[in-house]
This record gives sequence, C-alpha cells and structure tokens, in this order.
Amino acid sequence: KAGVTQTPRYLIKTRGQQVTLSCSPISGHRSVSWYQQTPGQGLQFLFEYFSETQRNKGNFPGRFSGRQFSNSRSEMNVSTLELGDSALYLCASSDTGDVNQPQHFGDGTRLSIL
Amino acid sequence: LAKTTQPISMDSYEGQEVNITCSHNNIATNDYITWYQQFPSQGPRFIIQGYKTKVTNEVASLFIPADRKSSTLSLPRVSLSDTAVYYCLVASGEGYQKVTFGIGTKLQVIP
Repeated sequence: KAGVTQTPRYLIKTRGQQVTLSCSPISGHRSVSWYQQTPGQGLQFLFEYFSETQRNKGNFPGRFSGRQFSNSRSEMNVSTLELGDSALYLCASSDTGDVNQPQHFGDGTRLSIL
Repeated sequence: LAKTTQPISMDSYEGQEVNITCSHNNIATNDYITWYQQFPSQGPRFIIQGYKTKVTNEVASLFIPADRKSSTLSLPRVSLSDTAVYYCLVASGEGYQKVTFGIGTKLQVIP
C-alpha cells in the first residue's frame, strides 16, 4: 500500500495570506489527523476527521480549519498567516482513529512565513 | 491525561543495546503505551505498542512492569541509522486530542 502523501512538501507564504495543505491517507483508512510541529512545542494536535466529520479538535485558533472528503482525503487551511505559523505540518491516518491503533504519518509540509 | 517524562537525549555506540525509559505515573487503566521514531524532515514512524508485560517485534522490544508507571523501549545493537528522536505516548480511547507527543528523546549513535 502507498503511504500517507502530503502536498506540497515546502511552502513559503507571507503574513496575512492563507494556505491550503493536502493529505491523502493510506487506502482504506478513515481517520485523518493533523499536527503542527515546531522546535519548541513538539507535535501538537490540531484536529481529527473521521468519515468527513471533525471528531476531535486541539487548542488552536479558528484560523486553522480543515475538511475531509468522501474518499478520506483531507485538507487543512490556515487563514491570515502569522509568523508563528511557521512549522512542519504533519498528517496521519489510521483505520478507526482509536489511539490503540498506530498512526501512519506523512513526511509533512514545511510552511515558512516571511 | 497521562503525562510522560523521557530523557531529553542519549548517546550510544554502534552495536550496543539502547534502553529508553519513559515515566507515566498517572497512566489510566485503559491507556496503551506507544513509541514512535522520527528522523529529521520526516513524519514519526510507529515502532511498537503495548499494554502490559513485554512486547517484541522485528525492530524493538517494549518492557512494561506490573504497575505500568513506566515503560522501556529496547533497541538491540543500534546502528548509525537509528539516530533519531523517540517519542513515548500514553493514551486511550478515540481520537488524538488528548495525545501529547512531548519533545521526545534524541538518540545519537556514535561510530
């Protein structure tokens, strides 16, 4: 099976712009989660989608949003970008989203805000 | 939410066995313990998961004492390619909003 695919791998934006990141999960996986990784904060949970519904949400402002399509592919959107949004954004998929199942991560999108 | 504590960094020579211990004093009855490995510019990769006693797979072993307040990831005969950050997670149930990866343990394997 193909792994989790995230596009693009690198992205450079300026403050105030918006950005959309894409994630294609492993075939058959219905849960997709998004994480933000920064050197000082480690991996922080953004949100999780299961069968097109947002099921869980972390402590991020409303500028961070997402959605999941019927084929389980997911997109994450960040509006009004701030310098602090510079990070590696990781997507992970699993079958049911239960934490006793391993998550399969993509290699992330490196977002740099100028 | 079970908080985990790991050493920030460890060094080991090639060919040695490496043991990374994670403390989780507040682990709940239904919590599972999961370890991930992450290389620079890549996403974390699942290594091993356990609930109690010992679990072994082709790359590692996980030792969990009876009280489950800690766990030890054992990597046999490490090589340079095992240089990475290792994360210990403790969580149960559905969804990942309560999962905290922390900053992990940076393992440096020395030739």
